[in-house]
Amino acid sequence: EDQVTQSPEALRLQEGESSSLNCSYTVSGLRGLFWYRQDPGKGPEFLFTLYSAGEEKEKERLKATLTKKESFLHITAPKPEDSATYLCAVQAVGATNKLIFGTGTLLAVQP
Amino acid sequence: SAVISQKPSRDICQRGTSLTIQCQVDSQVTMMFWYRQQPGQSLTLIATANQGSEATYESGFVIDKFPISRPNLTFSTLTVSNMSPEDSSIYLCSVGSGRGETQYFGPGTRLLVL
Repeated sequence: EDQVTQSPEALRLQEGESSSLNCSYTVSGLRGLFWYRQDPGKGPEFLFTLYSAGEEKEKERLKATLTKKESFLHITAPKPEDSATYLCAVQAVGATNKLIFGTGTLLAVQP
Repeated sequence: SAVISQKPSRDICQRGTSLTIQCQVDSQVTMMFWYRQQPGQSLTLIATANQGSEATYESGFVIDKFPISRPNLTFSTLTVSNMSPEDSSIYLCSVGSGRGETQYFGPGTRLLVL
């Protein structure tokens, strides 16, 4: 069964303290892995799509990497405005575009 | 990316009633999806809304409980029927880009059933 597990469930950082969020996945065949950011009371905001092991993508203080079993979202020198829930999702080959989500990591960055 | 709006943004309903949620996109899209996000749980796909044909439901979701309409390429509705407190959740629509891999989400509808 296709599955996504995110860790940690919650993370508290000081401003400027870099860290990484983990997304482990089990899927029959990976079509794509997706990272989203979700602020309270809002819908998920798309961040990155990764398609194959070794691929990396960056946006401001965020960098997403992908291996055959997991993905990391690296946050460099975070700011309080980076506080949000970060969601990981996978799409399997032949799954007609269905996204399978993890339960997310709640990130709090303190000034 | 497309701009997606949902109505209502939130509602409080009595058990046994039904609520219809609207999703409007500012451009024509082939693929539209409906997800549920229950408290403390991950987003779960309810169904794919197909234009001109019946929606395709995921395991555990049925048309009688969650009827979906897709009259054109910019609009869809999801009805939550005969509601119970277990239906309290955030309901989100999303649209697929290109071949549909990347999905963009609307702001969600927060439903509380008493």
